[in-house]
Amino acid sequence: DSGVTQTPKHLITATGQRVTLRCSPRSGDLSVYWYQQSLDQGLQFLIQYYNGEERAKGNILERFSAQQFPDLHSELNLSSLELGDSALYFCASSDRDRGVHTQYFGPGTRLTVL
Amino acid sequence: GIQVEQSPPDLILQEGANSTLRCNFSDSVNNLQWFHQNPWGQLINLFYIPSGTKQNGRLSATTVATERYSLLYISSSQTTDSGVYFCAVAENSGYALNFGKGTSLLVTP
Repeated sequence: DSGVTQTPKHLITATGQRVTLRCSPRSGDLSVYWYQQSLDQGLQFLIQYYNGEERAKGNILERFSAQQFPDLHSELNLSSLELGDSALYFCASSDRDRGVHTQYFGPGTRLTVL
Repeated sequence: GIQVEQSPPDLILQEGANSTLRCNFSDSVNNLQWFHQNPWGQLINLFYIPSGTKQNGRLSATTVATERYSLLYISSSQTTDSGVYFCAVAENSGYALNFGKGTSLLVTP
C-alpha cells in the first residue's frame, strides 16, 4: 500500500458526460501528479500541483481540468468525454515540488467511456 | 523531451531463472524509478535510483547516470513476478516522470 488513495476504482459512463476523479496524497506530501495510461499512448503525465498551486502541465486536453484543495486532496475533472478517454488514471504524490524525490502511485481509477 | 527506451519488450522465463531488464534514457536525469505493474493494473514502486546500486530481496538495480542507462535484475524469478516493468525518468529541470513502454514479463511454473 503506497498510502495514496483514489476513488472511485472503476467508472463507466457515456460519451459527452462529465466525471470527477479524486485523489488523496500520502500524509505529509504536498505534490500531486496525475497520469493517464492508455493502450495507444502508454503512461503519460497530465498535470502537477504543489501545495494548491499548478506547477507543471503535460499532455492534458483542454476538456480536462484539475485542482488541489487546502486539505491537499486533488480532483481531476474530465468533461465532454470521448471513447478515446477510456484509460487508467493514476494519481501520484511526493514530498517535494520537483527534482530529487520518489513519486508514490495510487491504485488508479479505470474509466470506461461507452 | 527526454526519450526512454526499455528492452526487451517481452520476456518469458521459467520459474527460478534470472533476468536483466534495461532502460536507456537520452538526457541527464534527477529521478529514475522502476515500477512493477501487476495484472490488476497497480503500479508498485520498486526502486528510486537516479544513480548507484540498490538491492531489495531478489531484486536489484543499477543506474550509470554518466552513460544514461539503468538495469533491473530479477533473480530466482517467481510466477508472482509476472507483469509489466516500467522505467521512468525526470529530466534535471523537470517535474514529471517520463515512462518507457515497459518490459512485459511472464514467469511460467
